[in-house]
Formats: sequence, structure tokens, C-alpha cells
Amino acid sequence: DTAVSQTPKYLVTQMGNDKSIKCEQNLGHDTMYWYKQDSKKFLKIMFSYNNKELIINETVPNRFSPKSPDKAHLNLHINSLELGDSAVYFCASSQVRANTEAFFGQGTRLTVV
Amino acid sequence: DQQVKQNSPSLSVQEGRISILNCDYTNSMFDYFLWYKKYPAEGPTFLISISSIKDKNEDGRFTVFLNKSAKHLSLHIVPSQPGDSAVYFCATPRGDDKIIFGKGTRLHILP
Repeated sequence: DTAVSQTPKYLVTQMGNDKSIKCEQNLGHDTMYWYKQDSKKFLKIMFSYNNKELIINETVPNRFSPKSPDKAHLNLHINSLELGDSAVYFCASSQVRANTEAFFGQGTRLTVV
Repeated sequence: DQQVKQNSPSLSVQEGRISILNCDYTNSMFDYFLWYKKYPAEGPTFLISISSIKDKNEDGRFTVFLNKSAKHLSLHIVPSQPGDSAVYFCATPRGDDKIIFGKGTRLHILP
């Protein structure tokens, strides 16, 4: 019974394609995030949603569009994929807005060829 | 612009000995810190946290020490076990709803 689940785990696609990564949390948390771990292994915040409202958009290209149909889901749509988008993308959720730990999904390894 | 720095990319420690992972931060306003552990092909999992009102927090084999004047924290694992081999991230929540992470330190526990 996974707390934060994201699908797919692996995604290989060609440049120029549009793809989506789905995320669901069953923890009842109000805040969900997308993080990107690049080739240098940095974990960088991309988006933060609180109760389906966008709180943070951390200078991410507008080809990336998060969508939150309800507070348990935060999906990531990526249009016109580029080679540089290859990375591991992690979804996470937390209970309150500050001073708490976040729970992470297993990650989606995106490879753009 | 790294606000949370882990300057050691890797660390090797003999099984049974103490592992010490270090983390420095730049902003004295940061008041809560977390350590995450990450195995390959898995997401980070929360390990232990510390609030700035404390200088030490202990949970079993894991202890985190906070030195506010030096803007430094460390994670001690004793005794180190093979299952502790992983990447450890130091992190801190920012007031604007995000958690910022260091680059991580890969810990190898040697038999």
C-alpha cells in the first residue's frame, strides 16, 4: 500500500514528444511537489501545490505543466520533450506547509532520445 | 547557489564503526533540518530531523547534531551496518513551501 506512487517508473521517448507522469498520494496530505534529479544528482524543486493551488513554480520551462485534479493527485505533463529533460522526476507530498518531512514516490526515470 | 551544502560526495566506513555525514547551510534563518536516505531506483525516505531549538536529536543508531553558530549539522550513525549504504541528503524546508536539498553524500559500509 504505497503512500506516494508515481507512474511510470521508466519512460523512454523521442525528442519532440509529449508525455505525462502521474502521481497519487494516499496520506491525506495537503501539499504535493515535483522534484527533478539531474545528472549532477541535485534534487531540485520544480512545483509545489497546496490544496490544488500552485504555490511554487521554480523557473521551470512552460513546456512543463503540472495538473492537480484533486489534492491527492499531481500529474506532470511535458510538451515537446528535449534531450536535456532526461532526468529522474520525483513526486512528493507533505502534511503542512513548513517544518515537516515530505514523503517521496519511487521516481520516474525519463530518457529522451 | 547552494543553500545547503554537502561537501563530501562519498564516504567509506568500516562496518561497526561510526559514520559521520556533514552538512553546512548558508542562511541562519533556517530553523528545521531533515536527513533523507536514498537507495538506488527508490525515492528518498525521511530519516531524522532536528529543530533549531535543539542541538541534538537521537533516534536509535542515528543522531543529528546541530551547531547553529557554525551553520553546520552532522548525522552520526553508530554502529554502521551494511544496510546503511545509501545516499544521504541533508535538507531544510523554506518558508515558501519547498524543501531544498544538498547534493548528497554516498555512504559505503565496508565489510
